[in-house]
Amino acid sequence: QVQLRESGPGLVKPAQTLSLTCSVSGGSINSGADYWAWIRQHSGKGLEWIGFIFRSGSPYYSPSLKSRAFISVDPSKNQFSLKVNSVTAADTAVYFCARVRREASNYYFDYWGQGILVTVSS
Amino acid sequence: DIQMTQSPSSLSASVGDRVTITCRTSHGISTYLHWYQQKPGKAPKLLIYGASILQTGVPSRFSGSGSGTEFTLTISSLQPEDFATYYCQQSFDTLFLTFGGGTRVEIK
Repeated sequence: QVQLRESGPGLVKPAQTLSLTCSVSGGSINSGADYWAWIRQHSGKGLEWIGFIFRSGSPYYSPSLKSRAFISVDPSKNQFSLKVNSVTAADTAVYFCARVRREASNYYFDYWGQGILVTVSS
Repeated sequence: DIQMTQSPSSLSASVGDRVTITCRTSHGISTYLHWYQQKPGKAPKLLIYGASILQTGVPSRFSGSGSGTEFTLTISSLQPEDFATYYCQQSFDTLFLTFGGGTRVEIK
């Protein structure tokens, strides 16, 4: 059973960098055909895909965050990470990490972390 | 990007009711459409992928259908644990995954 868990600061100051880590257990981040993704959800709102990465390959990002988001993988720790630069109050949200299962063009999120609330405030 | 429109945005139903939620896309996406259930304070849970394939462990009262631009999620007999918000997600554009706005299913 794959499990994911987000960790990182729950409070970030405006203009600083949001940094989160997702620890994966029950499976190797460095095997298989799966991608590893970040999704966020503003309070009372819907889900927004931020981006994903395949093993240590090139990440892909949503155009809405492309210039500020960075996703990386640390296979030695079975973790992947998200950084978002120059945050504003609009980046306040619950951040989820998830595994992306790929079957042809079926890319779907089959395992999720429990989510972590990140608040941007001075 | 592919726009996703779910309807209704919310509905009230009773235990035992048949419930249908619709997801429409701005472009044809074949069957690259997936459904999730989210309860308050929890992560979303995958219900159906590929428009109609039930994820392992999901009760058979959930079903999905559709292709192209119109898709439906049906709950054949609503149970107390099904009161939640449901989201569709497309992966036709694999480099820009998008979700619908959600449908909240409430107790009547």
